[in-house]
Amino acid sequence: EAQVTQNPRYLITVTGKKLTVTCSQNMNHEYMSWYRQDPGLGLRQIYYSMNVEVTDKGDVPEGYKVSRKEKRNFPLILESPSPNQTSLYFCASSLRRANQPQHFGDGTRLSIL
Amino acid sequence: GNSVTQMEGPVTLSEEAFLTINCTYTATGYPSLFWYVQYPGEGLQLLLKATKADDKGSNKGFEATYRKETTSFHLEKGSVQVSDSAVYFCALYNAGGTSYGKLTFGQGTILTVHP
Repeated sequence: EAQVTQNPRYLITVTGKKLTVTCSQNMNHEYMSWYRQDPGLGLRQIYYSMNVEVTDKGDVPEGYKVSRKEKRNFPLILESPSPNQTSLYFCASSLRRANQPQHFGDGTRLSIL
Repeated sequence: GNSVTQMEGPVTLSEEAFLTINCTYTATGYPSLFWYVQYPGEGLQLLLKATKADDKGSNKGFEATYRKETTSFHLEKGSVQVSDSAVYFCALYNAGGTSYGKLTFGQGTILTVHP
C-alpha cells in the first residue's frame, strides 16, 4: 500500500531535549516536505526536499533541521525544542514537485513542556 | 510573497444544503491552485486543482473555478452530506523566483454537516 509513515504519532517531551520525527515513503517520490499545523494559521511549510541531498527552507524553518540521505526518508530534527514548537506536524511527498498531488502522513502531535 | 486567505469558520450546515467556502490569494504570475481536505485524525488529501485562469477543478461533487480577475478559487458543492464534515484547505503553488518548491496553505475552514 502506498503510504507516508510518520513516527512517533504522539510525543510529550521537555524543553531542550533533542528529538527526531521520522518520515518514510514507499512510492519512490522525489519531493518531500514538512509542515506544522496550528489553529488559525493553517499549514506552514518548514522544509522541503526536491531529491536526495537537496533540501531548502520553507516559510518557518527556525529551530528545525532536516536531512535527505536516502530517497525514502526525510527526518525532522529539533535540536533544542522549545514550547513554541508544540504543534501538529505533517510529512508529505509527491512524485517530483510541490504542484503535484501531495501524499500526507497521518501527523505527529508534539507537546514540548 | 505568496499568501492564501480563506473565509473564517467554522461552517455549520444541514445535510443537502449548498456549500461555499471562499478562498482568495496573492501571488505574482500564474500560480496553480488547490483544495485539500482533512478528515478527522488523518492527513490532508488532494480534493481538486486548477492550473490556469478559468480552469474548473471538480471531484466528488465539489467544484472550484480559478478566477484571475478576482484572484479567487472558491469551493462549492450543491448538496453536502454528513460525510463531507472535515477541514478544507486552499493552497497555492507558484513556480517563480524564491517560491520554487513551496506550497502555501490557507488557514483552513472547518465544515460540520448535521443530518
